[in-house]
Amino acid sequence: QVQLVESGGGLVKPGGFLRLSCEASGFTFSDHYMYWIRQAPGEGLEWISYIGSSGSTKYYADSVKGRFTISRDNAKNSLYLQMNSLRAEDTAVYYCARAGRSGVHFDYWGQGILVTVSS
Amino acid sequence: QSALTQPASVSGSPGQSITISCTGTSSDVGGYNYVSWYQQHPGRAPKVMIYDVTNRPSGVSNRFSGSKSGNTASLTISGLQAEDEADYYCSSYTTSSTYVFGIGTKVTVL
Repeated sequence: QVQLVESGGGLVKPGGFLRLSCEASGFTFSDHYMYWIRQAPGEGLEWISYIGSSGSTKYYADSVKGRFTISRDNAKNSLYLQMNSLRAEDTAVYYCARAGRSGVHFDYWGQGILVTVSS
Repeated sequence: QSALTQPASVSGSPGQSITISCTGTSSDVGGYNYVSWYQQHPGRAPKVMIYDVTNRPSGVSNRFSGSKSGNTASLTISGLQAEDEADYYCSSYTTSSTYVFGIGTKVTVL
């Protein structure tokens, strides 16, 4: 069965950095676009980035552009999010998600990982 | 990119039908048939209920249906059940090759 497991979250000071990982299993990872989506405490969902199946296509939300970098290692079935210059407003649960068959929806989600930015 | 507009809350009695609207612009909802809907129970990851406006993934009850007219998409839940009580989010692909979510709607089963 499809599984996505995020790791790497935690508490970080403003201006700091973190690298999130998402380990995929149960499907051919290299066939799918992958996404990062976050949810601030008590708030709604926010799409933040996606990466094409080969890694050459990448898009970011304006809120993270220039600070976050998405990448993937198809040999390791893993997705990454390098987060730099973190701000208090980046505090959220971060989900990795897989692109569905049509390629423009999110058909499987990880359990989410909490990132807290606070001094 | 502004969030898509959804009602903050919708409620109904068991067995009734409810509809949640999702309003965007011609740059997102109105521009593509790429609207999807997600159900989220407290403390859980979201689950896709409808994709590409009207398509239902296998395993999702046929009580859930989607439609779109112009810049507004809708999710209808018929035969409302207690387990349907959750937050619901719409999402759309955009002309900027990005995605946007709705603000979310809390569904309450009375």
